[in-house]
Amino acid sequence: GGIITQTPKFLIGQEGQKLTLKCQQNFNHDTMYWYRQDSGKGLRLIYYSITENDLQKGDLSEGYDASREKKSSFSLTVTSAQKNEMAVFLCASSMRWGPKNTLYFGAGTRLSVL
Amino acid sequence: GDSVTQTEGQVALSEEDFLTIHCNYSASGYPTLFWYVQYPGEGPQLLFRASRDKEKGSSRGFEATYDKGTTSFHLRKASVQESDSAVYYCALSEGQQGTGSKLSFGKGAKLTVSP
Repeated sequence: GGIITQTPKFLIGQEGQKLTLKCQQNFNHDTMYWYRQDSGKGLRLIYYSITENDLQKGDLSEGYDASREKKSSFSLTVTSAQKNEMAVFLCASSMRWGPKNTLYFGAGTRLSVL
Repeated sequence: GDSVTQTEGQVALSEEDFLTIHCNYSASGYPTLFWYVQYPGEGPQLLFRASRDKEKGSSRGFEATYDKGTTSFHLRKASVQESDSAVYYCALSEGQQGTGSKLSFGKGAKLTVSP
């Protein structure tokens, strides 16, 4: 088995601040993802990385940057936090890129912006 | 583009009730369909998947049948327990192995089961 560790668990920021969320996986999976979870809106893909040296924009990439530092780690940066923003950011990984692959998720980072 | 529609946002049942959570999809070809479950404080985890018409996926007493004719993959369980309280997401993925595609999620259905 393996685990996905997201840090921090809770993140409180100020409007306009740049905030970085980190994700580590020990599955030795090729592909990693960042999703945003909002109540009543489901999960929306922000960025994904098919292999270690790849980076792809998802449907919700505006306002975010991402970096795949190595195979096991994938970070997400909120470039300018929006006032009163509240969301959960979920990191996930899958063995490889493909339509039938299972995604394994971390427990999430909960963001609040004052 | 590909999309998944879940009509129930909240579902409230008592233990031993029958559960149905509806999922309809819009996609070309034969997408792979998934149900994920998210317990409080955790990330979503795969419940099961199906990738062919009439294929039944099942796990932990939950089941769903891929129906291309009605473009549906409804989740059912005959007798729910309090421990089934969670958020359930329907999702789909198109494409072939090697080309791949993104996973599209529905909005989720929050199930609350009372003792």
